[in-house]
This record gives sequence, C-alpha cells and structure tokens, in this order.
Amino acid sequence: DIQMTQSPSSLSASVGDRVTITCRASQSIANYLNWYQQKPGKAPKLLIYGASNLESGVPSRFSGSGSGTDFTLTISSLHPEDFASYFCQQSYSPPWTFGQGTKVDIK
Amino acid sequence: QLQLQESGPGLVKPSETLSLMCSVSGGSISSSSYYWGWIRQPPGKGLEWIGRIYYTGTTDYNPSLKSRVTISADKSKNQLSLKLTSVTAADTAIYYCARPNSYSNYAMDVWGQGTTVTVSS
Repeated sequence: DIQMTQSPSSLSASVGDRVTITCRASQSIANYLNWYQQKPGKAPKLLIYGASNLESGVPSRFSGSGSGTDFTLTISSLHPEDFASYFCQQSYSPPWTFGQGTKVDIK
Repeated sequence: QLQLQESGPGLVKPSETLSLMCSVSGGSISSSSYYWGWIRQPPGKGLEWIGRIYYTGTTDYNPSLKSRVTISADKSKNQLSLKLTSVTAADTAIYYCARPNSYSNYAMDVWGQGTTVTVSS
C-alpha cells in the first residue's frame, strides 16, 4: 500500500493567514493526488484533484502543487469558513489511501 | 445533479453482517467509465477506502478488508450495496458512498451524507 503522510496534524491560524499543508507519498504517485475539506458532521468535499486542479465552485484562494511524492495545499488567505479538517488522498494505485488529516482551528 | 444517499441499520451486533445501500439519483451507475466506491471513517479518526466497483461490475477492495467485504450494484434500482461480514467494534464508523471521477484523476467528487453504523451487542 502507498502510505500518505500529512503534516502538520493540526495548526492554529487567524483569519487572513496564509496556510500550507504538506502531503508526502511513500512512492511516486505522479499527479494522482487529491485534497478534501471536511467540516464536523459533514462528508468530505473535494477541493483539488490531480494535484493542482481546482474543483468547480471551490474558491481560488485554495491551490495545490507538487508531483511525484511531495505535494502542498495552500490557502492564500484564511476565511472563517475554512476552519476545518483537510485530507490528502492518492488515487494512483488501489488501495487508495488518505493522509491522516490536518485540523485547522482558530488561533 | 448527481446525488448519493446511504441507508441501512445503525446498529449491528458483533459477528453479524453489516449491509448498506447507496441510492444514486441524477445519474446512472451504468454510465461508462465511472467507478463507484465506499469509504468509512471511525469516530474521530481519518478516512479509510473500502473498495470500488466499475460500471462493468469489476471490483477492487482494500486488502485489509478483502476477506469480509462485497460491493455490488443493482442497475435496475440504480443502487450500490456494501456487505461486511463478521463485524467487530473496530467496524464502527460513518460509512460513505462516493463517485471517483475518471475524468478527474479518480478524485471523489460526489459523496453521500454518510450513515453511522455502530457495532455493539
């Protein structure tokens, strides 16, 4: 199985901050890396697919980059509604695997 | 607009079989080039991929669950099903069905709202 390691596991930030979350794969996954946002009691929501493609309807303050084994999700300016958990996921090879998640909370 | 809705018993006894359905509306599970999948999330924990079924009926499962899991599709009802045998407390989780989009690197772009399953006697 491909292991996905996300960091940090949690972070505290303020509205307006730039936030960066990283995800590392245990082997190359090309650009088969996706990012999801999850709020309490809700299903995950797709933000970024193919490492850097913004899902339709997702605000442009979200961006993704990387290829191979190292990937980054960036929120350029944190909005109040962005306080949530974020997960990376590889869809390169089954079993598809997720990172352990990053919880972004209010400083 | 494609929508997914999970359903099934919220409580299952240890050693019994967990059976869930996912009703699909606004699209057909027979649509070519699409997979359909199941994911679960234990309370307060991360996401675990359970498996997927292709429109042809081909399935792939997480090796950690492969001996206990079956995913199937009923095209006449436009529904997916998940069966997990010999459940234990470790199978307590929110179970989601989702669509991996083959046009988006198989990212799961549509999710059901999830259904909570508790394994307890």
